[in-house]
Amino acid sequence: DIQMTQSPSSLSASVGDRVTITCRASQSIGKYLNWYQQKPGKAPKILIYAASSLESGVPSRFSGSGSGTDFTLTISSLQPEDIALYSCQQSYSAPRTFGQGTKVEIK
Amino acid sequence: EVQLVQSGAEVKKPGESLRISCKGSGYIFTSNWINWVRQMPGKGLEWMGRIDPSDSYTDYSPSFQGHVTISADKSTSTVYLQWSSLKAPDSAMYFCARRESGRGTYHFDYWGQGTLVTVSS
Repeated sequence: DIQMTQSPSSLSASVGDRVTITCRASQSIGKYLNWYQQKPGKAPKILIYAASSLESGVPSRFSGSGSGTDFTLTISSLQPEDIALYSCQQSYSAPRTFGQGTKVEIK
Repeated sequence: EVQLVQSGAEVKKPGESLRISCKGSGYIFTSNWINWVRQMPGKGLEWMGRIDPSDSYTDYSPSFQGHVTISADKSTSTVYLQWSSLKAPDSAMYFCARRESGRGTYHFDYWGQGTLVTVSS
């Protein structure tokens, strides 16, 4: 199985800050890396697919980069509505493993 | 509009059986795999398995193989997740999610609202 490791597990930042979350795969997954946002009490929602493609309707302050084993999700200017759990997922092979998640809070 | 609508919350006792559902609408049901994802209280997302509704082929995570069964009914556009004997650690939120099929990126593009399962004596 491919293990996905996210860091940090949680972070607290101020409104307007640039926030970066990293995700590392235990083996190369090309660009088969997706990022989901899950707001409290809600279902996850796709933000970024194929490492860097922004899902339709997602604000442009979200961006993704990386390939192979190392990936990054960046929020260029943190907003209050971005409070959520962010999870990476590899869609390279089964089982389609998720990272453990990063909880983003406002300072 | 694509929608996945899940069945309501369940409270069960250890050893009981349970089947929860996920009904798809707004798209061709047999065109996309449906996945099940577990989220234990305060924890991250875990992929459990998936089904191809066109032929009911299933694929499970080793962590869940043998403990749950995924099935589909094309006539009602519904996918099921079933336990024959629940345990307390099965208490969790369960989400169904559709795998995209058009772009070859295989991400989960639509999600159900979740079904909360509580197992307690």
